[in-house]
Amino acid sequence: EPEVTQTPSHQVTQMGQEVILRCVPISNHLYFYWYRQILGQKVEFLVSFYNNEISEKSEIFDDQFSVERPDGSNFTLKIRSTKLEDSAMYFCASSTIYEGQTLYEQYFGPGTRLTVT
Amino acid sequence: RKEVEQDPGPFNVPEGATVAFNCTYSNSASQSFFWYRQDCRKEPKLLMSVYSSGNEDGRFTAQLNRASQYISLLIRDSKLSDSATYLCGSGAGNMLTFGGGTRLMVKP
Repeated sequence: EPEVTQTPSHQVTQMGQEVILRCVPISNHLYFYWYRQILGQKVEFLVSFYNNEISEKSEIFDDQFSVERPDGSNFTLKIRSTKLEDSAMYFCASSTIYEGQTLYEQYFGPGTRLTVT
Repeated sequence: RKEVEQDPGPFNVPEGATVAFNCTYSNSASQSFFWYRQDCRKEPKLLMSVYSSGNEDGRFTAQLNRASQYISLLIRDSKLSDSATYLCGSGAGNMLTFGGGTRLMVKP
């Protein structure tokens, strides 16, 4: 069964450093997403991406965040200058179609645990 | 602010019991609704989608009440393996908003 994959599984970085989290969505999916989950808290939407551009983003997704689909398979999340409060699990998700206001099922990757020290 | 609210639990039930969770959402523009299961430190896994009034899949039944803006999940004949956190999600536009989850513990 096709699945979303993410690398690395765990990333430790120092405050102020840049990190890039990588995702390979399910191959025939067209919509891609990033979520984060701070330990013990809700899963929070960050951004959605379609046709090589951001389609929606939350308040959390400020100027220090960016997303890119550098080739036909990878989808990345870059955090430019990490802060302690960026420590969280980051999940990538993908979905196959989106019509009007109906959001189709999203399938999540295993996540990257980011620890900022 | 668009919120999804769930009772955090935990719900402690014996094997074989029937258990129900409710979830309320505040965004009246939401068109699609989902239940996900999340095990400790793992990713959310899709359990059920609810696009109209309800959906049933084996022991799991989800219902949607648009007038009252809530979604429910009923689990019949609980198994030990059902122990997890159940996340409710509501979708509007291209964005999925999750509740905080309800923790279920099924005991032998």
